[in-house]
Amino acid sequence: EAQVTQNPRYLITVTGKKLTVTCSQNMNHEYMSWYRQDPGLGLRQIYYSMNVEVTDKGDVPEGYKVSRKEKRNFPLILESPSPNQTSLYFCASSPTGGAKGYTFGSGTRLTVV
Amino acid sequence: KQEVTQIPAALSVPEGENLVLNCSFTDSAIYNLQWFRQDPGKGLTSLLLIQSSQREQTSGRLNASLDKSSGRSTLYIAASQPGDSATYLCAVRYGSARQLTFGSGTQLTVLP
Repeated sequence: EAQVTQNPRYLITVTGKKLTVTCSQNMNHEYMSWYRQDPGLGLRQIYYSMNVEVTDKGDVPEGYKVSRKEKRNFPLILESPSPNQTSLYFCASSPTGGAKGYTFGSGTRLTVV
Repeated sequence: KQEVTQIPAALSVPEGENLVLNCSFTDSAIYNLQWFRQDPGKGLTSLLLIQSSQREQTSGRLNASLDKSSGRSTLYIAASQPGDSATYLCAVRYGSARQLTFGSGTQLTVLP
């Protein structure tokens, strides 16, 4: 089944403890992206990648890092999480940067205490 | 600033009713528009994708239209069912942008 898989689905962590949220797609898509969803603010893009080793900032990149060493994987790294990064995170992929639409993962609910 | 607006924020209808969800966008230079469904605490499921050159797309009981000149898209749901209850999100890809601009969504409740 064609899908975007995120892990973990739920995560509670403490301030300052580095964490990684994984994202993997099995559709050979070139484009991948991370969004966060917050009440009243909607979905906002954090980072995106047009292809392997090519990444760029979205609207809210502060406090996050990404890497794209393989086409299928696009992990989101929070090196020193803070409570304001408590959110619902989504990974998305697309074959051509959006021309044929996006496929989203099931989401990761992160709580930073 | 490119924005996407969805009105109403919430809608409650009895089962069997036909309904229309609205999405408006501020820039006619859109590349495409995608409608998603989000169930509570779940991911986004793509419903329909309309390219800027198209006027509508259909999938089962769903029909989405696009009017670039007026900056509007509508999602028509025929013969609504309780299982249609969810939040419906409209997302626009503008021009060469490398992201989607999302509306805030319409929370639909279909009453049995």
